[in-house]
Amino acid sequence: DTAVSQTPKYLVTQMGNDKSIKCEQNLGHDTMYWYKQDSKKFLKIMFSYNNKELIINETVPNRFSPKSPDKAHLNLHINSLELGDSAVYFCASSQGEAEAFFGQGTRLTVV
Amino acid sequence: AQSVTQPDIHITVSEGASLELRCNYSYGATPYLFWYVQSPGQGLQLLLKYFSGDTLVQGIKGFEAEFKRSQSSFNLRKPSVHWSDAAEYFCAVGSGGGADGLTFGKGTHLIIQP
Repeated sequence: DTAVSQTPKYLVTQMGNDKSIKCEQNLGHDTMYWYKQDSKKFLKIMFSYNNKELIINETVPNRFSPKSPDKAHLNLHINSLELGDSAVYFCASSQGEAEAFFGQGTRLTVV
Repeated sequence: AQSVTQPDIHITVSEGASLELRCNYSYGATPYLFWYVQSPGQGLQLLLKYFSGDTLVQGIKGFEAEFKRSQSSFNLRKPSVHWSDAAEYFCAVGSGGGADGLTFGKGTHLIIQP
């Protein structure tokens, strides 16, 4: 059983399109996150949710909108995609002060 | 603001040799420290973590790390590397609660020479 699963694994799309990435965790964790890994492998937190409530919203363009329908799911919707949005997006979850568990990542390529 | 520095972007080590990856952190309170490994095309896997207690922590795959508060360091070590250890290694710091997430270093790319 995959603990944190993301779909799709690869996403190639044209500039200006709208796309979504889905994330589900079966660990029973209260907190979920989205991280972005750029072309230089640098990882930076974008959002965090705790029990469906938005906790962290880092300096991310408004075109990025997370949605948490329940505490096991955290989806990321991106409007009007730009070339600079190309990156690997990781979903993660954690519980309390324990470590974060990461999904396999979604490689987004905007052409 | 918290930060993590991994001074070595690339490290090349011969198979069977020992390894040390450096990590320095800046954090106002007691840090929660982590080492993650990322193999090509994969997600991040936790190697080990330090929250409190014994400053030498053991992890998976034969890795260990030592927390040195005086040096603000949390270096990762392995006595004998295997070709399968070739990967990207990330040090991270967190507050240990809530939903603050982790602050990552820029990573160290480990290359294993036969």
